[in-house]
Parts: sequence; structure tokens; C-alpha cells
Amino acid sequence: SQTIHQWPATLVQPVGSPLSLECTVEGTSNPNLYWYRQAAGRGLQLLFYSVGIGQISSEVPQNLSASRPQDRQFILSSKKLLLSDSGFYLCAWSVLAGGLGELFFGEGSRLTVL
Amino acid sequence: AQSVAQPEDQVNVAEGNPLTVKCTYSVSGNPYLFWYVQYPNRGLQFLLKYITGDNLVKGSYGFEAEFNKSQTSFHLKKPSALVSDSALYFCAVSTTGRRALTFGSGTRLQVQP
Repeated sequence: SQTIHQWPATLVQPVGSPLSLECTVEGTSNPNLYWYRQAAGRGLQLLFYSVGIGQISSEVPQNLSASRPQDRQFILSSKKLLLSDSGFYLCAWSVLAGGLGELFFGEGSRLTVL
Repeated sequence: AQSVAQPEDQVNVAEGNPLTVKCTYSVSGNPYLFWYVQYPNRGLQFLLKYITGDNLVKGSYGFEAEFNKSQTSFHLKKPSALVSDSALYFCAVSTTGRRALTFGSGTRLQVQP
């Protein structure tokens, strides 16, 4: 069966420090991968989308970047964190592209920037 | 552009009573509609989806949703609520040519014993 892992689960970082959140998927190949951010426990904002290795689409210009160095690995990064980067970050994968298939979410990474 | 509206921030219902969580959508094409549930500090879990076919879709945990094209709605329903159904519920939409789902702002369901 397929599983998705995200880490770290929680992170407290000072303003201006770097960030790296990692997500891996097991039990499937060539998944579509996504990073979402959830602010204040409510709506989800799509940050990045990837259909394959090295292929990253950014939905919202901001202080973050994403990379996909391997088929089932998706990394969210920042060189210098801002206070506004605080939130709950969710990685997800799907089999079908273009929003046709259901998303399977990881357990999330809660980032607090102080 | 595509968008989803969940007009109620919170829905309160007594255990055993039927529940409805409302969702309306806007897309420039045929809609693909989804419901997800989120428990505190957890990721979202898929409940059900409508792509095509019967307007009434049945999903996990006894939930169902009805697609209404004329009203552009996809309300989530359950005949008899359980206290364990208390959670945050998200409606989401996509359509042909779109890369990912667009989520609503979420509705908190509180089921009282």
C-alpha cells in the first residue's frame, strides 16, 4: 500500500534562518506531488506542484522554493524565513494529474517562525 | 478561474440528527468535486468525489454528497451524526486542464452528545 511521510512534524525557527521540509511517498511511482500551506487551521493554499523529477510549478510567488530530486521525494525550502511563513505545511500526492484524482495527504509539518 | 465557497464557518448538530455541510463552486467547465475531513493537527483525509455519473455520491464513514449542477452545489450529508464526526471539513474543486484542486475555507462540524 502507498504511504506518505513528512518531517519534521514540528519546527520552531528564528526569522532569517533557512528551512527544509521533506516529503517522501512509498508504494507508488511517478506520483504527482503537492505542497499546500494551511494558515490558522483553515483554508489550504497551493504552493507548489510537480508532475515529475525536476518539474516544479509555483502557484504563488513567495519566499519559498521546492525541489524534486527523486521520483518520490519532494522538498520545500527557504533561504531566509519570514514571520509570515509560519503555518501548517501539508504534502500530498495523487495518481491522476490535473485534479482528477483524490489527494493523499501527509500528517503535516507545523512551522513557527519567531 | 475556479473557486469554492463554504458559507458556514461552523455547523452544530446533535448526535443522531442528520447533518449537512454546504459547498458551492465556480468553474469554467465540468467540475470535479471532492470532500475531505481533517482532525486536529492531522493531514486531510479523502471522503468522496464526484467526477461524472450519478449525482448522489456515497463515501467513507456513511457520508454522501449530492451534485446539483443548476445550483452549482455539492453539499455533504449524513443521515445520523456521530460525536466522532466532529472535525473540519473541506470541499474542493477542479476541472479539465487545471493542475490541482482548489479548496474551500473549511467548515467546522461540532456534534453534541
